[in-house]
Amino acid sequence: DGGITQSPKYLFRKEGQNVTLSCEQNLNHDAMYWYRQDPGQGLRLIYYSQIVNDFQKGDIAEGYSVSREKKESFPLTVTSAQKNPTAFYLCASSTRGTDEQFFGPGTRLTVL
Amino acid sequence: AQSVTQPDIHITVSEGASLELRCNYSYGATPYLFWYVQSPGQGLQLLLKYFSGDTLVQGIKGFEAEFKRSQSSFNLRKPSVHWSDAAEYFCAVGNSGTYKYIFGTGTRLKVLA
Repeated sequence: DGGITQSPKYLFRKEGQNVTLSCEQNLNHDAMYWYRQDPGQGLRLIYYSQIVNDFQKGDIAEGYSVSREKKESFPLTVTSAQKNPTAFYLCASSTRGTDEQFFGPGTRLTVL
Repeated sequence: AQSVTQPDIHITVSEGASLELRCNYSYGATPYLFWYVQSPGQGLQLLLKYFSGDTLVQGIKGFEAEFKRSQSSFNLRKPSVHWSDAAEYFCAVGNSGTYKYIFGTGTRLKVLA
C-alpha cells in the first residue's frame, strides 16, 4: 500500500538534545511538508520541499532543520535552539500537479 | 492577510442529527479549499476538496461542502451524524502553485449517543 510513514510514534528527549524525526513516502510525490500541531492552534508549516535537494522555510522554521536527499525521505531535526519543542509533528506529501496533501500518522515529541 | 476561520471550537450533536461546521476564509487569489478530519493522536484524512466547477462538493463518509464565493465560506455538512464521526475537523485553503496551505484552528465534534 502507498502511504506516508513517520517514526517513531512517540519520542522523548532531554532538553538541549537535538532529535531527528523520520518521514518516508512511497507515493512518488515530489513535494513534502512538515507541520507542527499544538492544541487550539491548528497546523503550522515548518518547512516544505518541492523537489529533491531543495526546501523552503515555512512560517515557524526557527530551531528546525531539514534535508531532502532522496525523493521519498524528508527528515526533520528539532535542534536545541527550538524554545518549545514539545508538540505533535505531522509530515505530508503531494504531487506537483495538484495541491492535495496526504498526511502521515504523526510523531509526538516530548522534551523533558 | 490570508486566513482561515473556524468559529466553533467545539460542537456537540446527537447521533442521527444533522451537522454543519463553518469555515470562512480570506484569500487574495482563487482558493483551493479542503476539509480534513483527524482522530485523536492520528494524522489528517482528506474528506473533500474544491478546486473549481460545481460549488457543492461530495466527499467521503457522507460529507458534503458548499463553496460560497460571495460569503467567503466553505461549510461542511452531513445530514445524519454517526458516533464514529467524533473527531476534529480542519478547514484549509491553498492555491495552485503555492504548495502552502493555511489551516483553520479546528472544530472538535462530540457525538452524543
